[in-house]
Amino acid sequence: GAVVSQHPSWVICKSGTSVKIECRSLDFQATTMFWYRQFPKQSLMLMATSNEGSKATYEQGVEKDKFLINHASLTLSTLTVTSAHPEDSSFYICSASVQGRHEQFFGPGTRLTVL
Amino acid sequence: QQQVKQSPQSLIVQKGGISIINCAYENTAFDYFPWYQQFPGKGPALLIAIRPDVSEKKEGRFTISFNKSAKQFSLHIMDSQPGDSATYFCAASVNQGGKLIFGQGTELSVKP
Repeated sequence: GAVVSQHPSWVICKSGTSVKIECRSLDFQATTMFWYRQFPKQSLMLMATSNEGSKATYEQGVEKDKFLINHASLTLSTLTVTSAHPEDSSFYICSASVQGRHEQFFGPGTRLTVL
Repeated sequence: QQQVKQSPQSLIVQKGGISIINCAYENTAFDYFPWYQQFPGKGPALLIAIRPDVSEKKEGRFTISFNKSAKQFSLHIMDSQPGDSATYFCAASVNQGGKLIFGQGTELSVKP
């Protein structure tokens, strides 16, 4: 149980284009989803927290107009990187939790490369 | 203070040995302390977690030791195996469903 999937697992795009990453909880309803980015050899950096049906809460320093998060249902959240640039190249990971529980379950990650 | 400080940054252990990774925190409101294991190119996987009302939790070869007064907790991997070679992250959170504060990570290498 508690499986989280991400799609795509990797994506290469040209500078200036937008990329959408999906995060799905496959066998449970996720009241809260989180989006992280991780650079090589570094820890996970929380970008934003989203609750189903409400606006995401972004961490300090994260551009909300660049990283659009939508949590349309209890099983799906999307992260759209708008007008991507090479410095946005990173490993993006989502996680999901259930109301009343501490545990966060992570997806397999999406490797984004912007040329 | 929201930080969680993790050490060492890297660790090399012989097969069959004990791997020990330490974390320290300042915020006494933290009430959940998980450890995650991450292999290269993969997302983190929950390994084991502890609440502050217990001093130790064991699951197979993995044990968390928790010292509330010292505000420290550690992961012990007994009989370490080459397959345990990965990056380990400690974390802490305050509320159920709340955000996790991660440590810096420890890259463990178990030599055969």
